[in-house]
Amino acid sequence: QKEVEQDPGPLSVPEGAIVSLNCTYSNSAFQYFMWYRQYSRKGPELLMYTYSSGNKEDGRFTAQVDKSSKYISLFIRDSQPSDSATYLCAMSGGNKLVFGAGTILRVKS
Amino acid sequence: NAGVMQNPRHLVRRRGQEARLRCSPMKGHSHVYWYRQLPEEGLKFMVYLQKENIIDESGMPKERFSAEFPKEGPSILRIQQVVRGDSAAYFCASSPPADTQYFGPGTRLTVL
Repeated sequence: QKEVEQDPGPLSVPEGAIVSLNCTYSNSAFQYFMWYRQYSRKGPELLMYTYSSGNKEDGRFTAQVDKSSKYISLFIRDSQPSDSATYLCAMSGGNKLVFGAGTILRVKS
Repeated sequence: NAGVMQNPRHLVRRRGQEARLRCSPMKGHSHVYWYRQLPEEGLKFMVYLQKENIIDESGMPKERFSAEFPKEGPSILRIQQVVRGDSAAYFCASSPPADTQYFGPGTRLTVL
């Protein structure tokens, strides 16, 4: 079993839709949770960073962490074609990051 | 404030040659991490370094791979005697102490 599970998609939605991306994990030692966005042939770009259960909002993005269920989510409101990318969840118990496989998102105009 | 810089962006090597990948962390960041992204796979941790010290190399292959972060200059990931299976995107990330990691644009290595 992988430490971090993430549905690879692809997920295709119309412009303006609410997008929900999810990851589950098995390691209780994970304390820090991140979402990165990666455009094709580019480096991962940090979107959200949180270290506690609950919600964190930044513009159109909301990150949700449920440590009791070992489940994290990223919600994107009013999705735009420019949001089309691969979204990577990542988590850490200290130093190194453990990544999910990434979900490919396509927002159609 | 410049981000994490990596060079070269693209590197082509023939089997058996050496590959050297360079990473300059963001200003003020003293921690460097290297990750590898194979085609159709996620990012995998390789090594974590601070200046002149390897802190965690649990993700490094046992042979042919080495990394350093000298007192002066960039961090170097070195792959000796490359094989086709080494073809991948190699990403460097940097962070301040006990903070999240910011990634560079990556070096895409192709082994012919």
